[in-house]
Amino acid sequence: KNQVEQSPQSLIILEGKNCTLQCNYTVSPFSNLRWYKQDTGRGPVSLTIMTFSENTKSNGRYTATLDADTKQSSLHITASQLSDSASYICVVTSYNNNDMRFGAGTRLTVKP
Amino acid sequence: ETGVTQTPRHLVMGMTNKKSLKCEQHLGHNAMYWYKQSAKKPLELMFVYSLEERVENNSVPSRFSPECPNSSHLFLHLHTLQPEDSALYLCASSQDSGGNQPQHFGDGTRLSIL
Repeated sequence: KNQVEQSPQSLIILEGKNCTLQCNYTVSPFSNLRWYKQDTGRGPVSLTIMTFSENTKSNGRYTATLDADTKQSSLHITASQLSDSASYICVVTSYNNNDMRFGAGTRLTVKP
Repeated sequence: ETGVTQTPRHLVMGMTNKKSLKCEQHLGHNAMYWYKQSAKKPLELMFVYSLEERVENNSVPSRFSPECPNSSHLFLHLHTLQPEDSALYLCASSQDSGGNQPQHFGDGTRLSIL
């Protein structure tokens, strides 16, 4: 079982709507959690990073939350745009040798 | 433009061929990485280089051979690959390999093994 589980695997929403993507992890000891956006045919691009003491981080219309007690994170996208169509990847880093664990991603499609 | 350039973008090769993937970063970073990305699976870390020294090799078959001649360039030499090696190969760099710095990814090389 992967130490970083993302849900849903895929999501289709209409332009202008909000959505929330989930990331649950078992990585321990926890160092930080990042969300990446990967457009089709491109490499991942970092959206946010949160450490243990941070429970929310915003980047424009993207807001990430972290609950280190329940080991859950979410990425909320507000007023979605067509350009938000991409895969969103959750990455959790452990203090053990800075080991990074990747989720399989959520594929978001925004339709007009 | 992420500052990390990978070439070629697409590569089709037979199982007996030898080819190399190239990665170049213009960010002044000290750490570079190779990842394998297969459909619907998490990124798999293959190799990590820090200051031109390999610091991590995640049980990658010997048919993949990395080379880091300097801190700006990273190669992945391929020989006698298998069909299951078909995937997107991503290169990334970061300021250091400590895990607290974001990684900057290239756009990948789409590799198809015939």
